[in-house]
Amino acid sequence: KAGVTQTPRYLIKTRGQQVTLSCSPISGHRSVSWYQQTPGQGLQFLFEYFSETQRNKGNFPGRFSGRQFSNSRSEMNVSTLELGDSALYLCASSHGPGRANVLTFGAGSRLTVL
Amino acid sequence: QKEVEQNSGPLSVPEGAIASLNCTYSDRGSQSFFWYRQYSGKSPELIMSIYSNGDKEDGRFTAQLNKASQYVSLLIRDSQPSDSATYLCVASSTVSNYQLIWGAGTKLIIKP
Repeated sequence: KAGVTQTPRYLIKTRGQQVTLSCSPISGHRSVSWYQQTPGQGLQFLFEYFSETQRNKGNFPGRFSGRQFSNSRSEMNVSTLELGDSALYLCASSHGPGRANVLTFGAGSRLTVL
Repeated sequence: QKEVEQNSGPLSVPEGAIASLNCTYSDRGSQSFFWYRQYSGKSPELIMSIYSNGDKEDGRFTAQLNKASQYVSLLIRDSQPSDSATYLCVASSTVSNYQLIWGAGTKLIIKP
């Protein structure tokens, strides 16, 4: 059974550019969540999608956006990149919201902004 | 603001001893609790989930929940160097639309 696949694994961008990250969930999982992880801030929740609808959103500026497609694959976009956006972006999938919402994480996309 | 608090550590425990990791949460409506383990350079992975007051055991791991005290703990018996990792405590509440609230994690070091 394939796990959660994130692409690209590593990328380098410059300030002002934009980036799109992709996440393919485990087959059968309909929920995808995105997190930002930095050494100083730990794991910060970005947003959660279920059946193509955003269910929850974290406290990030509007430069961070996402979407989910009908096949449950998800993308997140960061526009007008800032140095502080350098981080590991983790995607996690699950069957969906509920009491036993167990997440399976992908390996992450490491973004460096120069 | 709903919060999950953990001591950042590092918590240093001798090999073979019991490691005790603790977590408190602010949202009294929280009903589900999870412990994830994250090795350095890797992604988090689920260790335990607990939904009811009391203890839940799985091998060397025991999760404990006390909703009255808003307290969750994870005990690791017979600690091994391979248990060295950061442990993340997570809470979920129906009030918050099942949004997961993550603690900052406790770094555990098992000394051989």
